[in-house]
Amino acid sequence: NAGVTQTPKFQVLKTGQSMTLQCAQDMNHNSMYWYRQDPGMGLRLIYYSASEGTTDKGEVPNGYNVSRLNKREFSLRLESAAPSQTSVYFCASSEARPRKQFFGPGTRLTVL
Amino acid sequence: DQQVKQNSPSLSVQEGRISILNCDYTNSMFDYFLWYKKYPAEGPTFLISISSIKDKNEDGRFTVFLNKSAKHLSLHIVPSQPGDSAVYFCAASLYGGATNKLIFGTGTLLAVQP
Repeated sequence: NAGVTQTPKFQVLKTGQSMTLQCAQDMNHNSMYWYRQDPGMGLRLIYYSASEGTTDKGEVPNGYNVSRLNKREFSLRLESAAPSQTSVYFCASSEARPRKQFFGPGTRLTVL
Repeated sequence: DQQVKQNSPSLSVQEGRISILNCDYTNSMFDYFLWYKKYPAEGPTFLISISSIKDKNEDGRFTVFLNKSAKHLSLHIVPSQPGDSAVYFCAASLYGGATNKLIFGTGTLLAVQP
């Protein structure tokens, strides 16, 4: 039982390049989330998906797109990376009850 | 506007003593609160939670207290151990039906000295 997995673990991009961060969960959860963590800022919600086929913006969605490919997978795409998107990205999943979210190990992204 | 605040960026405690981590919130509609623990290069892991209908929840060495009138919660770790050294995030939730978004604080780095 792997829980929430994320790929890649590390990535370096140049400004303007694109990439997709992958996330998968094997807990049969309906809801999935993407967060970014920056120093002194805590975890901020980028996008979330309440169920397969639905996605909604979180607190900081600008510059990102998401796809809920199926119940297991939720990807985050940066179409044109900017240095301000240098961060650690976490994917999470949950059910409505209980309300705790389970997190993946994170992707550390650097945009030069 | 930060709805969940952890005003202490760091805390240092001696092994065996009590660690008290604090969290304040501004939205009185929050009805569920959680604490997460995060080691370097790992994702946050759930530690303990409390519903707004309670004022205390205990799990082993970890106890969370909720003071709704003050919009304040705290996490007590007794006794503290070196393995407890990590960043602790508090989070608050509004019941949202199909999904429950969490609002996180900025975290407190706890260092437990042997």
